[in-house]
Amino acid sequence: AQTVTQSQPEMSVQEAETVTLSCTYDTSESDYYLFWYKQPPSRQMILVIRQEAYKQQNATENRFSVNFQKAAKSFSLKISDSQLGDAAMYFCAYRADSGGGADGLTFGKGTHLIIQP
Amino acid sequence: NAGVTQTPKFQVLKTGQSMTLQCAQDMNHEYMSWYRQDPGMGLRLIHYSVGAGITDQGEVPNGYNVSRSTTEDFPLRLLSAAPSQTSVYFCASSYIRTGLNSPLHFGNGTRLTVT
Repeated sequence: AQTVTQSQPEMSVQEAETVTLSCTYDTSESDYYLFWYKQPPSRQMILVIRQEAYKQQNATENRFSVNFQKAAKSFSLKISDSQLGDAAMYFCAYRADSGGGADGLTFGKGTHLIIQP
Repeated sequence: NAGVTQTPKFQVLKTGQSMTLQCAQDMNHEYMSWYRQDPGMGLRLIHYSVGAGITDQGEVPNGYNVSRSTTEDFPLRLLSAAPSQTSVYFCASSYIRTGLNSPLHFGNGTRLTVT
C-alpha cells in the first residue's frame, strides 16, 4: 500500500520569509501524481500545486514551488515570501491508478504552518 | 456554480442511530469519494466510485455503506453509529477521463459527533 509521510507536524516562519514543507512517499508504481492541499481554519480543502511523476520539471504556482525527487520519493513544498494568509494545515497527497480506473488520494498527516507577523 | 455540496454541515447522533450524509456534484465528474478527517491522522479514504453503479472500498470502509445510482449523487450511510465514527467527513469528486492529475474538488465537510 502507498504511504505518505510528512515528518513536520508544525512549522513556523516569519512573514516574508521562505519555508519548505517536507513530504516523502512510498510506492511501487511508476506513474502517479502528487499534490499539495491547503486547509485553512475554514476547513475548506484547497489545491495548492500538483506534479505528474513523469515530468522532470518541478511545478510552480506563483509563490509556491515543489522540489520533486522521484528516485528519493520526495516531494517538498517551498513557499516564498510567506504571507499571513498562508497560515493553514498543509497536506501532501498521492494518487495512482492500480487498475481499477482511479484510486483515491492517499494523504499525509499534515503540517501545521504558522506565520509570525 | 455549486461544485460539491454536502449536507448537513453538522450532526449529532446517539450510538446505534443511522443516518445518511448527502453529497451532490454538478460538474459531471465520473469519480466521487468520501474521506474522514481525524486529528493527527490526515484524511483517510472510506469509499469511492468511478461511475454510476460502481463503488469500491477505501482504507477505512467498516461501518459505512455507499451507492452510486446517478453521476451526481454519492450518499454515505452509517447503519449503526459508533463513537469511533465521530469525525469530519469530506466528499470529493474529480474527472477521470482528463487524467488522474485532475484535482479533487472537495465539499465543505460534515462534522459528525456520536455520543
